[in-house]
Amino acid sequence: AQSVAQPEDQVNVAEGNPLTVKCTYSVSGNPYLFWYVQYPNRGLQFLLKYITGDNLVKGSYGFEAEFNKSQTSFHLKKPSALVSDSALYFCAVRGTDKLIFGTGTRLQVFP
Amino acid sequence: DAGVIQSPRHEVTEMGQEVTLRCKPISGHNSLFWYRQTMMRGLELLIYFNNNVPIDDSGMPEDRFSAKMPNASFSTLKIQPSEPRDSAVYFCASSFFWDSRRPQETQYFGPGTRLLVL
Repeated sequence: AQSVAQPEDQVNVAEGNPLTVKCTYSVSGNPYLFWYVQYPNRGLQFLLKYITGDNLVKGSYGFEAEFNKSQTSFHLKKPSALVSDSALYFCAVRGTDKLIFGTGTRLQVFP
Repeated sequence: DAGVIQSPRHEVTEMGQEVTLRCKPISGHNSLFWYRQTMMRGLELLIYFNNNVPIDDSGMPEDRFSAKMPNASFSTLKIQPSEPRDSAVYFCASSFFWDSRRPQETQYFGPGTRLLVL
């Protein structure tokens, strides 16, 4: 069965430092992976997705994600964090007919 | 360009009352999804439609919940009667045709309706 795991409930990082939000997945077949961000009292906003091709995927707001097939991971990264990046981040994998979401990781960027 | 539109944004009601949530998908999208988000259960898919036809309603919690999509630009999620445990944020999302043969499609979410049942 397809699944995703976000091992960290919260990630804290200082503004200007690089950030990583972790995601691992389990699928049968080719993985189709997504990252969404949820700001307070807002809906989920699509950040980026991996379908095929380059392992480094670039998305919105300066975020990127690295697909690693051997480690079954799809970690979200940003070279320099902003306070405004503080939000809830969800990793998702495409199941047979559903998007399967992780439990979310709260990113807190401190000034 | 307008994204997914949901109304109302907030709803407070009393137990036993009927609640209707509304959604307008992105123009041109063929698929519409209803999700529920709670602290305890995270994001749950309730039901989704392709071309206005319900495809998978296995996530609908019980008969008190019903969803309709009378046309390509409008959907409702109704709870009757409502109960305190229905309190949650309900999201609508839309995409181009959602099918196992098109795994690259992206779902776009609305801002959600925050429901509180007293």
